[in-house]
Amino acid sequence: TQLLEQSPQFLSIQEGENLTVYCNSSSVFSSLQWDRQEPGEGPVLLVTVVTGGEVKKLKRLTFQFGDARKDSSLHITAAQPGDTGLYLCVSGGTSYGKLTFGQGTILTVHP
Amino acid sequence: DSGVTQTPKHLITATGQRVTLRCSPRSGDLSVYWYQQSLDQGLQFLIQYYNGEERAKGNILERFSAQQFPDLHSELNLSSLELGDSALYFCASSVTGMGTEAFFGQGTRLTVV
Repeated sequence: TQLLEQSPQFLSIQEGENLTVYCNSSSVFSSLQWDRQEPGEGPVLLVTVVTGGEVKKLKRLTFQFGDARKDSSLHITAAQPGDTGLYLCVSGGTSYGKLTFGQGTILTVHP
Repeated sequence: DSGVTQTPKHLITATGQRVTLRCSPRSGDLSVYWYQQSLDQGLQFLIQYYNGEERAKGNILERFSAQQFPDLHSELNLSSLELGDSALYFCASSVTGMGTEAFFGQGTRLTVV
């Protein structure tokens, strides 16, 4: 069973700071997605990475997929209070079954 | 908007009752997952369907059942409800059900009183 280790679990920073969240797997990802979930809402897909070494940018968010496809990172530049939320790395696996979630990173950006 | 539609958004019912939650996947997605999220907890996998057939089962109680219909929408039936069943119920859909990105609905908040 694939395990996803996500770190850090909590991040509390000031507006304007940069941050990085990491997601590491015990096995090769077939694909990996990053989601953001706000309280009482469903996770919202931010990006999916598939190819080793891939880098995707979404405004101030940069997503990297490791060359070996066993790790990924999410970097936020100049964080804003609107970035506050729970960030999840999610893997669909290589067979039918549940999605595998990282433990989540609760990000709080203070004005 | 993820393209996944869940109804109703909110449901309040009494203990012992039965409810049905509905999920319409994104157009073209053949697989539907159901998840339960209790207060301050992670997403607990209940069940997965692909093209009408059950593909994987998680910690789904015997009082709960689900199905996916020919038009690919899915329903989660919860019976003999208990207070502890109060939670957010999410469905997600994906194209193949393995190795591809999944999109979540907005959830149904079930409150059992």
